[in-house]
Amino acid sequence: GAVVSQHPSRVICKSGTSVKIECRSLDFQATTMFWYRQFPKQSLMLMATSNEGSKATYEQGVEKDKFLINHASLTLSTLTVTSAHPEDSSFYICSARVPDGTDTQYFGPGTRLTVL
Amino acid sequence: AQTVTQSQPEMSVQEAETVTLSCTYDTSESDYYLFWYKQPPSRQMILVIRQEAYKQQNATENRFSVNFQKAAKSFSLKISDSQLGDAAMYFCAYRSKLTFGTGTRLQVTL
Repeated sequence: GAVVSQHPSRVICKSGTSVKIECRSLDFQATTMFWYRQFPKQSLMLMATSNEGSKATYEQGVEKDKFLINHASLTLSTLTVTSAHPEDSSFYICSARVPDGTDTQYFGPGTRLTVL
Repeated sequence: AQTVTQSQPEMSVQEAETVTLSCTYDTSESDYYLFWYKQPPSRQMILVIRQEAYKQQNATENRFSVNFQKAAKSFSLKISDSQLGDAAMYFCAYRSKLTFGTGTRLQVTL
């Protein structure tokens, strides 16, 4: 299957700082990428849809000013958690949709964010 | 809005045996895709199998197969000849803007 990378895999930051997470599709171009959040022992919650060259679409209840998404190229989307607080600590996962009309997404390995 | 329901939070199967994980969904659309993803302890989401709603034939991928009942909006996953490496959380998901079920934790015993 297609490969999606995510960096960093783990990050620890102080409260009030910003953290950037990168998501890259390594062997295909993705006009659409997705960002999810996963709490322990729970399912994935879609945060936003990232569209190359346009603004991201955020799900209800997700603060777009806190979770900034940029999809500057067909292989890279970034999620920046601004002014992070301990309640933002979570596992963040990105995915990229393969442009073959099948709706299939491939996922990055995830980023564990811990805000102290 | 679409919903996906997995009613089995946990399942157990002996090695080499067969297990079926259940999934039901609700939608008003007629054409769509359904997916099963696996999340092992590494937390990497891995695509297991995909079903196209307009295809009547059930999808198969080696030891993994689905029983897709469109009218009943049911999409179960059958794992044959279970292996220790199959132990994971399994999520059923509905189409592109993926709506995930709550997951089923599969344990594989010797």
